[in-house]
Amino acid sequence: DQQVKQNSPSLSVQEGRISILNCDYTNSMFDYFLWYKKYPAEGPTFLISISSIKDKNEDGRFTVFLNKSAKHLSLHIVPSQPGDSAVYFCAATGSARQLTFGSGTQLTVLP
Amino acid sequence: DTAVSQTPKYLVTQMGNDKSIKCEQNLGHDTMYWYKQDSKKFLKIMFSYNNKELIINETVPNRFSPKSPDKAHLNLHINSLELGDSAVYFCASSPQARVYGYTFGSGTRLTVV
Repeated sequence: DQQVKQNSPSLSVQEGRISILNCDYTNSMFDYFLWYKKYPAEGPTFLISISSIKDKNEDGRFTVFLNKSAKHLSLHIVPSQPGDSAVYFCAATGSARQLTFGSGTQLTVLP
Repeated sequence: DTAVSQTPKYLVTQMGNDKSIKCEQNLGHDTMYWYKQDSKKFLKIMFSYNNKELIINETVPNRFSPKSPDKAHLNLHINSLELGDSAVYFCASSPQARVYGYTFGSGTRLTVV
């Protein structure tokens, strides 16, 4: 029962271009969404989040978009840099203090 | 000054053994968690402790037992290890997961042979 899905296990993008990572969820009780970034042999680190009352949140090169009707969110990275190469996890939470994670997308930014 | 530290980082052990993984956080967070990253790369919650009290206990085998001696520590003890227990185990803490998100440790790669 995968309540948070990241259907693309990998994505390759040229340096300087936009990276778009997608995430879908099924639980309509989720009301807060987060993106985490993970390098090899390290734990995930918080990147950016969005509340369900918003449809966009921006932080520097990173923007998260939320489409509640489609139960879809996306992370845009512009411009992409080689240091952005990592696994990106989408996560969601509702009233319980528990994050439900997707399976991650490996982003590779090519120089 | 590591915020959430786990030990050991790597653990190789034989089937049937009992092992423990330790976790400590120096962030003053109220809640600590254990997550398991399986072969399909999903991060799945196992346990959560809030101020030394268990508040989430997902369906995991009772061979897994969390122990929280105080708010800053959450250890994971595993009895009678099985091949399927091989995974990466992450400890995390949060003041309030809903808003602030988690701070993760660097993970413990457990290999059962």
